[in-house]
This record gives sequence, C-alpha cells and structure tokens, in this order.
Amino acid sequence: EPEVTQTPSHQVTQMGQEVILRCVPISNHLYFYWYRQILGQKVEFLVSFYNNEISEKSEIFDDQFSVERPDGSNFTLKIRSTKLEDSAMYFCASSRAQNTGELFFGEGSRLTVL
Amino acid sequence: RKEVEQDPGPFNVPEGATVAFNCTYSNSASQSFFWYRQDCRKEPKLLMSVYSSGNEDGRFTAQLNRASQYISLLIRDSKLSDSATYLCVVNGAGGGNKLTFGTGTQLKVEL
Repeated sequence: EPEVTQTPSHQVTQMGQEVILRCVPISNHLYFYWYRQILGQKVEFLVSFYNNEISEKSEIFDDQFSVERPDGSNFTLKIRSTKLEDSAMYFCASSRAQNTGELFFGEGSRLTVL
Repeated sequence: RKEVEQDPGPFNVPEGATVAFNCTYSNSASQSFFWYRQDCRKEPKLLMSVYSSGNEDGRFTAQLNRASQYISLLIRDSKLSDSATYLCVVNGAGGGNKLTFGTGTQLKVEL
C-alpha cells in the first residue's frame, strides 16, 4: 500500500538553528500538506500546497516557515530560525483531491528544540 | 467556544461493549466531517466520513446533525484493537482540506 514517508523521524536542534523536514508524498497525489501536533495538544493545520505554490496557510505558518517541492518527489518544510515553541511532531500529508478530507499522513518528524 | 470540541475521556470499556463519542463544532458553514483515529505517538488515519444520512462501516456508525452542529461515532462490539484516540475533524467553510481537529477522545478497551 502506498504511503507518505517522512525523514528524519526525530531531530534535536538548538534554538535559532535552521531545520528542514522532508516528505515523500504518495506518487499520484497532487495536494500536499503540513500539520503539526504539540505534545498533548490537537493536530493543527500549517499549510497546503498545490501546483508548486501555497494554497492556504495558517497563522502559525509565519515568515520563519517555508515549503518547497524541489523535485518531482520531495516536499520539504523549512523552519529558518527555530524557537522552543516549535518543538512538536510535524506530519506531512497528501491527498488525491482538494476537498475530500481524506488525507494520508506520514508517520511524522518529531522536532525537539533546545 | 472551541472550533471542535470533544470529551477527552478516557473511556474505559470491556471488550464487546458499545461505546459512543460525541463532538460539536462551532462553524455552521463547515463543509464536511470526519472521524480519524490516532494511536499513541502515531499519525492520524481516516476512519470514516460523516454524513447527515448516517454512515456505517462494519461496527462503526457515524452521524451528523447539522442543525445542532453535532457529530457522533458509535462503536459496537468493541475490540482490544479499537483502543486509540478518536479525532473529530471538520473541513472548513473554504474546503481545501484545511482540516480542524478536535483534541480527541481516548478509548481503552479492556479484557
């Protein structure tokens, strides 16, 4: 069964450092997303991406965040200067269509900022 | 008022029991509704969509009441493997899979 894969599974970084989280969405999916979940809290939408551009982003997704699809398979989330409050599980997801609500999530990348 | 509100639980039930979870949402313009399941420290996985006409998938039944802005999930004949957190999820008025998640209801099924 096709799946969304994410790397790294866990990254520890110092405050102020740049972090890149990588995702390989399901190959025939056209819509890509990043969500995050702070420990003990709900899953929160960060950004959606389609046709090589951001479709929508949340208030959390400020200038410190960026996304990119550098080639035909990878989808990355970059945090330019990490803060303590960026510590969370970051989930990449993809979907075939835009409004179905059927998202396939990767296993997540746990980011710990010290 | 929270956008999506759920009782956090935990619900501790014996194997074979029937258990029901409820959820309310605040945005009356929300378009579509779902239940996701999340195992401990794992990713969310779609369990089922929720329709006003009701939706049944095996032991699971989901229901939507748009007038009351209320969503339910019923699990019959619960199994040990049903132990997880059940997330009520709403697709906003703008669609686009900008999903709003509830904090989840934890279910523990015991022998």
